[in-house]
Amino acid sequence: GNSVTQMEGPVTLSEEAFLTINCTYTATGYPSLFWYVQYPGEGLQLLLKATKADDKGSNKGFEATYRKETTSFHLEKGSVQVSDSAVYFCAQSGGSNYKLTFGKGTLLTVNP
Amino acid sequence: DVKVTQSSRYLVKRTGEKVFLECVQDMDHENMFWYRQDPGLGLRLIYFSYDVKMKEKGDIPEGYSVSREKKERFSLILESASTNQTSMYLCASSFPGGVNEQFFGPGTRLTVL
Repeated sequence: GNSVTQMEGPVTLSEEAFLTINCTYTATGYPSLFWYVQYPGEGLQLLLKATKADDKGSNKGFEATYRKETTSFHLEKGSVQVSDSAVYFCAQSGGSNYKLTFGKGTLLTVNP
Repeated sequence: DVKVTQSSRYLVKRTGEKVFLECVQDMDHENMFWYRQDPGLGLRLIYFSYDVKMKEKGDIPEGYSVSREKKERFSLILESASTNQTSMYLCASSFPGGVNEQFFGPGTRLTVL
C-alpha cells in the first residue's frame, strides 16, 4: 500500500545548524509530495511541494527534491532559526484522487 | 487566500455528551476531511467528503459520524464522547484531482473528562 516514512524525532539543533529530515515513500504511480509544518498550537501549513520526479520544492529557505529512483523527498535547510521550531510532516498523494498519506511527523527544536 | 475555520480552538466535554465540531471553508472546495492528531501517531483520517451529502470512512471512523449539508461546511459528530477521544481535531479541504494539496484549519483541542 501507500505509505510515508520519516525520521523519528525529536531533532534538536543549535541556531544556524544544517537541517535534514529524511522522508521516503511507497506508492503506486507517481504521487505528488509535500512537506507541511505545524507551529505550536496551530494547524498544518503547506511548506513546499513537488509534483513530478526531479522537481525541487522550496520555501522560506527549505528545500526538498523529488527523487524517484530512491523514492525520497528529504527536507533540508542550510541554517535553521529558533523560529523554525515546529513539527514537520511529509505527505504523498499516491493511490487516491482525494486523500493524502502522512508520515508521523518530526519535532524540530532549535536552540539559540 | 484559502481560509479554513473551525468553530472552537479548545473544547471541554464530559463523557457521554454529544459533541459537534464544525468546519467551514471559503474556497468552494469539493473535498473536506477530518483528522485527529495524537502524539506518536501522527495524523489519522476519520472521515472525508467529496461532495455535498457524500462521505467516506477514513482509517478510524469508529465512534464518529459526519454531516455535509452544504458545500462549505463539514461537521464531525461524537455521538457519545469518551475519554479516548481526547485529541486534537484538524479539518482540511482541497480541490478534487490535481495534486491534492490540502488546506488545514487551526485545529480544535478537545478534552473529554
